[in-house]
Amino acid sequence: DAKTTQPTSMDCAEGRAANLPCNHSTISGNEYVYWYRQIHSQGPQYIIHGLKNNETNEMASLIITEDRKSSTLILPHATLRDTAVYYCIVSPSGTYKYIFGTGTRLKVLA
Amino acid sequence: GAVVSQHPSWVICKSGTSVKIECRSLDFQATTMFWYRQFPKQSLMLMATSNEGSKATYEQGVEKDKFLINHASLTLSTLTVTSAHPEDSSFYICSARRVGASGELFFGEGSRLTVL
Repeated sequence: DAKTTQPTSMDCAEGRAANLPCNHSTISGNEYVYWYRQIHSQGPQYIIHGLKNNETNEMASLIITEDRKSSTLILPHATLRDTAVYYCIVSPSGTYKYIFGTGTRLKVLA
Repeated sequence: GAVVSQHPSWVICKSGTSVKIECRSLDFQATTMFWYRQFPKQSLMLMATSNEGSKATYEQGVEKDKFLINHASLTLSTLTVTSAHPEDSSFYICSARRVGASGELFFGEGSRLTVL
């Protein structure tokens, strides 16, 4: 079973920040949090990952709570091309075995 | 960035035939590749883990004789759907772990199989 829970869907206005939450209350100490997105009929695209500290790259920011039981993916300026299903995955370091949950269907509105 | 390519992108076959799908890591070596399938409006379901030079490890409920996986080199894994039936119609996706990378997997574009 997936170890994460995410809202089924969210809407975001174009140009605004999209904040996608994820609960992973049973996360273990050696498990990383990974975020991917899947645009219709394509393979998932890597966005970002982290262990404890907040992370930022050219695509997004990842905020992980201090107790690591939840995290938030932030797309700072959403565009129409960010419309996709976003998956939050927790996986132990070294196994790379991802179990996908249902994800959040983000719709960016013009 | 790391590129994983699948071939074919889509295939239509008759019931009872076998179909082979290739997954290649184009610019890196992958000791481990994973195969998923995805039904419409559903999430990805892990089918098996493919390690170069050894037998694949299948998830519970996945028939290893039905879905043959071969990982003969560090850049190629193949999935063969044997004696395909309409219920095997799905989107098959592979992913690869880059040797020495920090942990993220790289996914192929997916292969859509339709069995008539």
